[in-house]
This record gives sequence, structure tokens and C-alpha cells, in this order.
Amino acid sequence: KQEVTQIPAALSVPEGENLVLNCSFTDSAIYNLQWFRQDPGKGLTSLLLIQSSQREQTSGRLNASLDKSSGRSTLYIAASQPGDSATYLCAVNSGGSNYKLTFGKGTLLTVNP
Amino acid sequence: DTGVSQDPRHKITKRGQNVTFRCDPISEHNRLYWYRQTLGQGPEFLTYFQNEAQLEKSRLLSDRFSAERPKGSFSTLEIQRTEQGDSAMYLCASQQGNQETQYFGPGTRLLVL
Repeated sequence: KQEVTQIPAALSVPEGENLVLNCSFTDSAIYNLQWFRQDPGKGLTSLLLIQSSQREQTSGRLNASLDKSSGRSTLYIAASQPGDSATYLCAVNSGGSNYKLTFGKGTLLTVNP
Repeated sequence: DTGVSQDPRHKITKRGQNVTFRCDPISEHNRLYWYRQTLGQGPEFLTYFQNEAQLEKSRLLSDRFSAERPKGSFSTLEIQRTEQGDSAMYLCASQQGNQETQYFGPGTRLLVL
């Protein structure tokens, strides 16, 4: 059974700082990995999707890396802004016919002005 | 706005009552998922539809839960005889057959008193 862990559970940084969020998964036989953002009381917004054959994906100030063999992914946020404050969720798709996602508990990020 | 809509956004009910939620996926997405998210946790998979066929149900989906997707368009999730433990955010996601990104709706927050 796939298990996904995110560290740290919460992170508070001053505006402008670069930061890294970590995600680990127990079964390296994955199809892809997605990072989501969730604002309080809201649904999920997809940030980046990395296929199992890829090492990283970039979108603006966000960069996600994937090391499938070690079961790890990181989300790097450059020059953080107060608007980046949210919960960041990592989700693993272990393939098969249904593409269901297994989520971590998330990292609550607070960027202080 | 991801293009996936859910109704209602909030529902307060008394224990023992039945509730029904609706999800309208992105047009022409043939895959539809329901997830449940409790406070401080990541979403957990409940069930999956491909077109109108319900292809997988999680063990989390007790006999009190039923989901349908008539005609392969919108989906409904019904909970009968609600219990306080059913209080959660119920999230719907849709996905096009040959793509891997799941697009989530805003969720329905259920509170059972």
C-alpha cells in the first residue's frame, strides 16, 4: 500500500526567502507525482505534475524534482511572497487503470510580510 | 476556477438524515473521482467512474454511501443515515482519459450535528 509523507507539517518564512517542501513515498513504482496548492476551505489547484520518467518540472517560481528510486520529491519555491501562503499537498499516482491519487497530509506554509 | 463545480458548497445536517452532493466535471472528461478530506489530512480516495461505470470503490465507502454518474456526465454522492464521523470536505475531480492531471472542484463541506 502506497504511503505518502510530507515534511515539515508547517513552515513559516519571511517574504523573499527561498524554501523547499519535501515529499516521500514508500512504493517507488509510480506513474507520476503531482503537487497541489489548497487555500483554507477551498479545493485543490494543480501546480506541477512530474511523470515517472522525468526528473523535474518548472513553472514560474516553482520547481519540482522527482527521485523515483529513493521515493522522494521536493517542491522549491523561489522568492516567496505572502500570496504563497497555503497548504501544499503532494499526491502520488501509482498507475493501474484508475489513476487514483494517494495524498500526503500537506505542508502548511506561511509567508510573513 | 478549474471548471469542475460542486453543489452545495456547504451542508449542515442532523445525524441520521440523508444528504446528496452533486459534481459537474469538465465537459468531455470521462473520468470522475470522489475524495474525502478531514481536518488536517490529505484527501482520501472514495470512488472512481469512467463514463457512467463505477469501476472502483474504496473500503472507506460504507454501505451508507452510494454514488452515481448517469449518462457519464454529472455525478451524485449520497450519504444515508449520516453520522458525526461523516463530517468532512467531499471533493470531486475530473480527468480526461489520456491525460493525467486531475482537476478538482471547490468541494462540499459537510457538518453532521
